[in-house]
Amino acid sequence: DADVTQTPRNRITKTGKRIMLECSQTKGHDRMYWYRQDPGLGLRLIYYSFDVKDINKGEISDGYSVSRQAQAKFSLSLESAIPNQTALYFCATSDPGRGNTDTQYFGPGTRLTVL
Amino acid sequence: QKEVEQDPGPLSVPEGAIVSLNCTYSNSAFQYFMWYRQYSRKGPELLMYTYSSGNKEDGRFTAQVDKSSKYISLFIRDSQPSDSATYLCAMINNAGNMLTFGGGTRLMVKP
Repeated sequence: DADVTQTPRNRITKTGKRIMLECSQTKGHDRMYWYRQDPGLGLRLIYYSFDVKDINKGEISDGYSVSRQAQAKFSLSLESAIPNQTALYFCATSDPGRGNTDTQYFGPGTRLTVL
Repeated sequence: QKEVEQDPGPLSVPEGAIVSLNCTYSNSAFQYFMWYRQYSRKGPELLMYTYSSGNKEDGRFTAQVDKSSKYISLFIRDSQPSDSATYLCAMINNAGNMLTFGGGTRLMVKP
């Protein structure tokens, strides 16, 4: 979805390196999310933010941190990358105030490989 | 045990077949049920959502929810090669908006 963009799209890094994944959205949504996807495990929530001053841990936040720089920007950091953080990472946005069931709209994903 | 279970497949069918994709769940608090479609190298996109038990139809797609059995299904009629993707079920309770996803079923529709 072009309204939610993620950079980089692919990244290979080494164990111990600090990595930042960025997400931007033009949908005007207040809520933003970071997920990781592993084969057979579906999508698991890492962190979420309901507005610029709100940050919450998800199901698997250990080893990750986030920053909500603006309504439109939500970054995910791996402070010291490890191989089991190799996964596909997705950013998503939603806005429950627009009459729907808080539908989440996903970005195209970042494929991260930690060697 | 996962809250939402989904057969990973792959499910391979010929073009024109009726496809049935299913999820079971254990949390009776789930009220909203969604199906996302994910093409290779893309993010998931919402296909359908339903609230409560019953059926909802949208073109070739029908979503079915049986809350008494904690079982949801997505039916695809007249399947097309373009339907080849991974289908993820997701659900949410009334108290919040944290989606819980199934692991996804990979579907392949062969011409």
